[in-house]
Amino acid sequence: SQQGEEDPQALSIQEGENATMNCSYKTSINNLQWYRQNSGRGLVHLILIRSNEREKHSGRLRVTLDTSKKSSSLLITASRAADTASYFCATSGGYQKVTFGTGTKLQVIP
Amino acid sequence: GAGVSQSPSNKVTEKGKDVELRCDPISGHTALYWYRQRLGQGLEFLIYFQGNSAPDKSGLPSDRFSAERTGESVSTLTIQRTQQEDSAVYLCASTPDSSTVAGYTFGSGTRLTVV
Repeated sequence: SQQGEEDPQALSIQEGENATMNCSYKTSINNLQWYRQNSGRGLVHLILIRSNEREKHSGRLRVTLDTSKKSSSLLITASRAADTASYFCATSGGYQKVTFGTGTKLQVIP
Repeated sequence: GAGVSQSPSNKVTEKGKDVELRCDPISGHTALYWYRQRLGQGLEFLIYFQGNSAPDKSGLPSDRFSAERTGESVSTLTIQRTQQEDSAVYLCASTPDSSTVAGYTFGSGTRLTVV
């Protein structure tokens, strides 16, 4: 299975601090994606990193990918209360379905 | 439409009844996916449609679950003889084609409660 596992399962930080979440997966991938989910509803696509990329930035988000270790990290800098959500990594072979991890629940305390 | 639309947003049903969940993908998106998310859990793949190809039903948990899609438009997920363990949020997503590099666009989900 390509299923990712996020670490930690839950994270609580103060507003303004950085939040780091990690994802490990089992098989080779074409790309890895990170999603955010508020209140147990629809997920929002945040960022995608391809297997030949090592790092990618989007606003306050920084994603790294280490294919030799089959792991990825999502860093949110200068966190805000509005960043409180669950974050999921998702892996894909490039086509068809994407396999989601178990998620990290982030709480940013104002 | 502008986004993926799912209906109903909430559904409470009695054990043993059938339910039908609906998903309207983004216009022009050929690929459509159904996932299930139990409380506090990750997303569990159910079924995938791509154009007129045979759907990938490998994630359907039992023969009580079925899904249809007419062409590249609306999809319905049907659960027959619902059980309490079917209680979950059912999420639909669509993508422009079978490639995953565009990322999924999700609907807001249908929260199903079986009592």
